[in-house]
Amino acid sequence: GQSLEQPSEVTAVEGAIVQINCTYQTSGFYGLSWYQQHDGGAPTFLSYNALDGLEETGRFSSFLSRSDSYGYLLLQELQMKDSASYFCAVGGGDYKLSFGAGTTVTVRA
Amino acid sequence: GAVVSQHPSWVICKSGTSVKIECRSLDFQATTMFWYRQFPKQSLMLMATSNEGSKATYEQGVEKDKFLINHASLTLSTLTVTSAHPEDSSFYICSYRSMNTEAFFGQGTRLTVV
Repeated sequence: GQSLEQPSEVTAVEGAIVQINCTYQTSGFYGLSWYQQHDGGAPTFLSYNALDGLEETGRFSSFLSRSDSYGYLLLQELQMKDSASYFCAVGGGDYKLSFGAGTTVTVRA
Repeated sequence: GAVVSQHPSWVICKSGTSVKIECRSLDFQATTMFWYRQFPKQSLMLMATSNEGSKATYEQGVEKDKFLINHASLTLSTLTVTSAHPEDSSFYICSYRSMNTEAFFGQGTRLTVV
């Protein structure tokens, strides 16, 4: 099976940088992905890492180290609209996704 | 990206009644859809994998007789919560993932059983 750990909450001010770490244990690894979910909404895809290294998409970047079973999501130039829950997820060979418990990011003015 | 349409977005029903949630793929054909449940402030928990033309595969601990899944066509998967009780109140979301990359989600259905 799969298990993922990520911090439960993070608070930061507008313009700051936030890093959300995710460690995982999985029987078969098919990439680490990140999703954002605003209150009452459905998750939306942010980033995906299949190989080691950094993937950058605008203000958001994601990093993966397969040897450490570790990844992180980096949110730069935080904006109020970034206040949401962020989930890391690992995929299995059957395309299923297992999600972490989620990190609630609160952005303060 | 793939567009997944889920309906209704919210529903309130009386205890003991059944509720059907529809999930449609609008611009692609889906042989497989995933159904998740999410309680407030918690993670998404996979309930079952919906397979077109065959029986759904349920995750451990999910009652197949209570959560009926039908995937009769390549564009429609339905989840029926039978004999709903207040503890079934939750956010139900369908999802499509064709390869091991991005997953696309429906808008979700907020079910409240009173």
